[in-house]
Amino acid sequence: KAGVTQTPRYLIKTRGQQVTLSCSPISGHRSVSWYQQTPGQGLQFLFEYFSETQRNKGNFPGRFSGRQFSNSRSEMNVSTLELGDSALYLCASSLKVSGTGELFFGEGSRLTVL
Amino acid sequence: EDQVTQSPEALRLQEGESSSLNCSYTVSGLRGLFWYRQDPGKGPEFLFTLYSAGEEKEKERLKATLTKKESFLHITAPKPEDSATYLCAVQESGGSYIPTFGRGTSLIVHP
Repeated sequence: KAGVTQTPRYLIKTRGQQVTLSCSPISGHRSVSWYQQTPGQGLQFLFEYFSETQRNKGNFPGRFSGRQFSNSRSEMNVSTLELGDSALYLCASSLKVSGTGELFFGEGSRLTVL
Repeated sequence: EDQVTQSPEALRLQEGESSSLNCSYTVSGLRGLFWYRQDPGKGPEFLFTLYSAGEEKEKERLKATLTKKESFLHITAPKPEDSATYLCAVQESGGSYIPTFGRGTSLIVHP
């Protein structure tokens, strides 16, 4: 079956701009989590959505936001981009909300902020 | 202080040279410990889940073990295709159950 799909795969933005990233989970998965991965900090949890509701949120500023649609697809938005937002943004889906910890990751969206 | 610490940060092996990767954790109660493999430019791929001390899981050349304070990922007779970054994640009992990831061990296996 199809895996987690993230778009776009690569994008370049300038400071102050905003960006929207999209994630389509595995069919039947209702939980979508977002992570930021950088060489210095590793994988950092951003937020988790289940049934269109944000269930958990990581320690990121309010410039980072997300939402989930009724078909479980999810988007995350970063406003007023900063150089430090350059990272690989990973989406992961799972059957249960935070339950099993077994996450299925997409290939990520690599964001470069100039 | 990191809750999950992986060592070494990088490891170079010759093909066939067995070794172990370590993941130590400091959470007060463990709900689950997970190993993932990440290839360059890809997202992490789930390998194993361990729940209690003494538990072991195997998959091909990989075996994961768990004690009360750490987990080991043993790689037996590795091949170049085992080259990847191996990530450990810990899920603490109580609270949100969001897994905390270590920074990974980058493994390179030379032919």
